[in-house]
Amino acid sequence: DTEVTQTPKHLVMGMTNKKSLKCEQHMGHRAMYWYKQKAKKPPELMFVYSYEKLSINESVPSRFSPECPNSSLLNLHLHALQPEDSALYLCASSQAQSGRMYEQYFGPGTRLTVT
Amino acid sequence: DAKTTQPPSMDCAEGRAANLPCNHSTISGNEYVYWYRQIHSQGPQYIIHGLKNNETNEMASLIITEDRKSSTLILPHATLRDTAVYYCIVKMTGTASKLTFGTGTRLQVTL
Repeated sequence: DTEVTQTPKHLVMGMTNKKSLKCEQHMGHRAMYWYKQKAKKPPELMFVYSYEKLSINESVPSRFSPECPNSSLLNLHLHALQPEDSALYLCASSQAQSGRMYEQYFGPGTRLTVT
Repeated sequence: DAKTTQPPSMDCAEGRAANLPCNHSTISGNEYVYWYRQIHSQGPQYIIHGLKNNETNEMASLIITEDRKSSTLILPHATLRDTAVYYCIVKMTGTASKLTFGTGTRLQVTL
């Protein structure tokens, strides 16, 4: 199984709502990532988890809160978002061993619209 | 991480080889060249990577110049399904770390 799944596929939320994006992989990968992609732009990294611990936070606003409850799951909790946060949110996973960077496997993304 | 330069767009006839260039003149000795692609409305997909030697897999071939300052991704027989944005990324080895995507090359495969 080389698949990364993301739910929901689409999400529309108001600026006062609280919602969560979910990502799951069963490849035994111990590194998981959140990327944000605005229309017609390349993906930009938000967070990296390595062995269930946050290892990289790219200065993301606190209205985005990541969580890695176990090695297969990655959540992104959303609260008080702004319309400019509307984007495609991509989850990825990879092996995580010292000495090399392994290829990342991406999910299909969640298309988020903030109204 | 070294910066990469790619042409913004390319066209290729179906069945012909697509050759996508990438310049990375500031690459250092321990940096790999990675290629990903993103088909419209999908997540990026890993294609291939290499350090010094040319590499080939079931999807593509990667040709890296001897001085490692540039590389070419070759899709030997392009199909309409290869229409996508192709990203060339140069990255050091290491544990879990970020991919920094540039603007990529939009490849359009036509009949």
